[in-house]
Amino acid sequence: AAGVIQSPRHLIKEKRETATLKCYPIPRHDTVYWYQQGPGQDPQFLISFYEKMQSDKGSIPDRFSAQQFSDYHSELNMSSLELGDSALYFCASSLRGSYNEQFFGPGTRLTVL
Amino acid sequence: DQQVKQNSPSLSVQEGRISILNCDYTNSMFDYFLWYKKYPAEGPTFLISISSIKDKNEDGRFTVFLNKSAKHLSLHIVPSQPGDSAVYFCAARGRSGTYKYIFGTGTRLKVLA
Repeated sequence: AAGVIQSPRHLIKEKRETATLKCYPIPRHDTVYWYQQGPGQDPQFLISFYEKMQSDKGSIPDRFSAQQFSDYHSELNMSSLELGDSALYFCASSLRGSYNEQFFGPGTRLTVL
Repeated sequence: DQQVKQNSPSLSVQEGRISILNCDYTNSMFDYFLWYKKYPAEGPTFLISISSIKDKNEDGRFTVFLNKSAKHLSLHIVPSQPGDSAVYFCAARGRSGTYKYIFGTGTRLKVLA
């Protein structure tokens, strides 16, 4: 079965650069979520989209923005990167509904030097 | 503040025995709880869930118990197998209006052969 695809899997950037992470949800899933997991920490919710509209917002810095496109894929844009942005970034997708679990992608490991 | 807590960062269990992973939460508005398993270099994989109207859900070797009065849930794995060795995250979701997950800090389970 198709899973959530994230690209790239690894990304190395320097401080103050920009990065774009991409997420392709499971076919027919209408909701995408972004999470950030720092070293030794739990995944922290950043933002979610349902039917191309932002549906929820968490601890996402103002330097980050995201959107969901007509084909339901999503991109997380990160600007003015800081050392503290180094983390695993997970995308998850689900069908909107009360008890539909989220399916996670393999993550993108971002390293900011 | 950490709304979902897993107080045991690690747990070692002998193969064939029971593994019990615990999770406590503080927000009584959570209505859906899930357990995810995570291997290194992979995204979290959904294991089992329970809604707040139930106190037990079983799926094969995995059983989740929910004690709402104590704001506590636990995951039982019986019998434990070496392939179960992974990091286990407890996650909670608020009532309708938001579908984001709040994750615990994870428990690293090691099943010894």
